[in-house]
Amino acid sequence: AQSVAQPEDQVNVAEGNPLTVKCTYSVSGNPYLFWYVQYPNRGLQFLLKYITGDNLVKGSYGFEAEFNKSQTSFHLKKPSALVSDSALYFCAVRDYGTGNTGKLIFGQGTTLQVKP
Amino acid sequence: DADVTQTPRNRITKTGKRIMLECSQTKGHDRMYWYRQDPGLGLRLIYYSFDVKDINKGEISDGYSVSRQAQAKFSLSLESAIPNQTALYFCATTDSSSYNEQFFGPGTRLTVL
Repeated sequence: AQSVAQPEDQVNVAEGNPLTVKCTYSVSGNPYLFWYVQYPNRGLQFLLKYITGDNLVKGSYGFEAEFNKSQTSFHLKKPSALVSDSALYFCAVRDYGTGNTGKLIFGQGTTLQVKP
Repeated sequence: DADVTQTPRNRITKTGKRIMLECSQTKGHDRMYWYRQDPGLGLRLIYYSFDVKDINKGEISDGYSVSRQAQAKFSLSLESAIPNQTALYFCATTDSSSYNEQFFGPGTRLTVL
């Protein structure tokens, strides 16, 4: 079965420190992986995606993610956290189960709390 | 987010009432999706549509129905609302050439009393 797991419900980090939000996946084909961010009272905003190519993907707001095929992981990272990065983060993977439907499977979300 | 709009943004209703949530998009995408978000469960797919004549059930379609009135409009209905349908509902769009990056509306917070 295809799935996405975000093992941490919440990540706490001090402003200025590096942050990592973890994601692991299980898919039947080549993984198309995504990170989205949800600010309070807002919809999900796209941060970045991995389709193919370089394992380090750069995205919006200074975020990047590292694709690791052997560990089936796609962790979100940022070198220096900002208080404004505090939000709910979702990892997602393309669903191969029914062909090219555009469906995504989402993880349960990780709340990032950046403290001043 | 302005490319995908949802109405209403908030709604409180009573058990047994029929309610419709509406989604419109100006991105010109052919594919549209309805999700619900519950704390700790992430987003779960309710229905999705490839065009006005192609509508498909997602993983949690029971108790819901949809209508694709035009390429740009996709409505979600709760035929007889129940309290466990209290959730945040999102509409999303994509096209077949975008490697499945989806664009989300701002969400509708629905409370069923």
